[in-house]
Amino acid sequence: DGGITQSPKYLFRKEGQNVTLSCEQNLNHDAMYWYRQDPGQGLRLIYYSQIVNDFQKGDIAEGYSVSREKKESFPLTVTSAQKNPTAFYLCASGPLQRELFFGEGSRLTVL
Amino acid sequence: QKEVEQNSGPLSVPEGAIASLNCTYSDRGSQSFFWYRQYSGKSPELIMFIYSNGDKEDGRFTAQLNKASQYVSLLIRDSQPSDSATYLCAVRGNRDDKIIFGKGTRLHILP
Repeated sequence: DGGITQSPKYLFRKEGQNVTLSCEQNLNHDAMYWYRQDPGQGLRLIYYSQIVNDFQKGDIAEGYSVSREKKESFPLTVTSAQKNPTAFYLCASGPLQRELFFGEGSRLTVL
Repeated sequence: QKEVEQNSGPLSVPEGAIASLNCTYSDRGSQSFFWYRQYSGKSPELIMFIYSNGDKEDGRFTAQLNKASQYVSLLIRDSQPSDSATYLCAVRGNRDDKIIFGKGTRLHILP
């Protein structure tokens, strides 16, 4: 099936640990994005990429890192430098300059 | 900092009536505009996108764009209880490929 797959769906980690969230798409989309959503809030842009081996910071990139080694994959690492990492993380992809489609999201809880 | 503003609601509309959702944006050069629906605990799903001034209709949904007033709206005709959700407005700027979201409007359709 074609789509955008995020894993894991739920993740619990201790403070101070780095965490990597996976995002894979088989839709041949060039653009991939990571957003964070806190309860009752909209989506805030973390990082985005339009081409392999290139990515740009969004509005809240501090404490996060990404890579885009393959067109299909755009993993997000939440580092220990991120002060409030507990959130709902959403990955999206789409054709260049067009609409975005979202994965099902990953819920990260830091204990 | 580019901004996208929405009334947080809740907006209560009787079943069968027209629901009107509004969004304003700060970047005058914005080119692409999107409406997403998000059910509680789920990821956003694309409803409509609009690039040109005027109206765009798709089934019960109509998106309206007025670039001079920096205003985009979504009309939902014959509202159904299943339309009860949070509606997110998103805007792509002109100079970069950032897609910025508003905080969303909660819509409640009264049976």
